[in-house]
Amino acid sequence: GESVGLHLPTLSVQEGDNSIINCAYSNSASDYFIWYKQESGKGPQFIIDIRSNMDKRQGQRVTVLLNKTVKHLSLQIAATQPGDSAVYFCAENRVTESGGGADGLTFGKGTHLIIQP
Amino acid sequence: GAGVSQSPSNKVTEKGKDVELRCDPISGHTALYWYRQSLGQGLEFLIYFQGNSAPDKSGLPSDRFSAERTGGSVSTLTIQRTQQEDSAVYLCASSSMGSNQPQHFGDGTRLSIL
Repeated sequence: GESVGLHLPTLSVQEGDNSIINCAYSNSASDYFIWYKQESGKGPQFIIDIRSNMDKRQGQRVTVLLNKTVKHLSLQIAATQPGDSAVYFCAENRVTESGGGADGLTFGKGTHLIIQP
Repeated sequence: GAGVSQSPSNKVTEKGKDVELRCDPISGHTALYWYRQSLGQGLEFLIYFQGNSAPDKSGLPSDRFSAERTGGSVSTLTIQRTQQEDSAVYLCASSSMGSNQPQHFGDGTRLSIL
């Protein structure tokens, strides 16, 4: 089964408000996390990533927070715009059964962000 | 182009036929990945290439699936004797060398098995 999951399948926010999308992961050996945005009919688009030696990283209008204690990841989008409407996926690097690193990502099922005018 | 290119964008075929999907990664990216995305789902890892070699084939769902990469660039994913459950979007991504680098995706091939 997937080790990365999301709390809400759909999130509806008012245009201009801040959005927070949450993600839980179960593999404490994961050390790299990444957020993607996927619009209909397109491939996932890289938003921001974070390594396990950090707990916060900021980009343009986005912030990723990592809480390793409770294995929680979140994506904050400031001043949400209509163009932010999409499905957002968190992902973590795959770890083998022996605990070794493996390339490739394990994805959650995604959160559909809907922007209300 | 500057991004990952996949072809065809759509493929409809009859059950039992073989299909071949192509991925052209970002120039200079040594790592290449194939994923599968079923309707409304997250992505499922299939296979990873570093250069021409595939050190990790653990995600391939059955022996009907195979992939190759030649010249360290273009990759093809082949599905033999297709089944209806193979219907999905097949996505390719590439990244630069080194662990934990962002993967950049193409727009995928939407495969429909009749």
